[in-house]
Amino acid sequence: DVKVTQSSRYLVKRTGEKVFLECVQDMDHENMFWYRQDPGLGLRLIYFSYDVKMKEKGDIPEGYSVSREKKERFSLILESASTNQTSMYLCASSRTGIYGYTFGSGTRLTVV
Amino acid sequence: QKEVEQDPGPLSVPEGAIVSLNCTYSNSAFQYFMWYRQYSRKGPELLMYTYSSGNKEDGRFTAQVDKSSKYISLFIRDSQPSDSATYLCAMNDNFNKFYFGSGTKLNVKP
Repeated sequence: DVKVTQSSRYLVKRTGEKVFLECVQDMDHENMFWYRQDPGLGLRLIYFSYDVKMKEKGDIPEGYSVSREKKERFSLILESASTNQTSMYLCASSRTGIYGYTFGSGTRLTVV
Repeated sequence: QKEVEQDPGPLSVPEGAIVSLNCTYSNSAFQYFMWYRQYSRKGPELLMYTYSSGNKEDGRFTAQVDKSSKYISLFIRDSQPSDSATYLCAMNDNFNKFYFGSGTKLNVKP
């Protein structure tokens, strides 16, 4: 059963902390994505990567960075967590070309 | 203006009803259209995928695309309580990035 695994389902962090969200896929997909999902705003793309060590900014990259050192792993980093980064974070992967995404189950992050 | 507009609902229907879920979009370059289903506390999962205009059927689900009106629909026949979820439309203009609607929450009452 192919899947995208996100390391934590729920996370509570303090303002100013550096936060790491990890995502691993076992499908040998080239593309990986990080979204945040908020009520009324839907899915918003933070960063994506087409290949190892490559990254592209999405629609809302401010306050975030990413790392992709291996093909199967894509990490999202909140450099200094703030309360407005409280959200559901979804990782996804896809093959190159017009293919649907496979999503992880999400990490619900609360910043206090 | 958002690239993709979707009524958030919630939409509440009795079991067995026909459900119609819709999205409108502004970018005429969109050619690939998908519907995802998201159960509570889970990630979205791909439900249907269509290219360009026309209809596609898969069991109780029919996806319809009208590019002239920039309007896509998902129909669910004989809806079941297990169909209760949030449905997201997504579309693409021939690159790897998809644009998502905000999702419509559907509740099918037994």
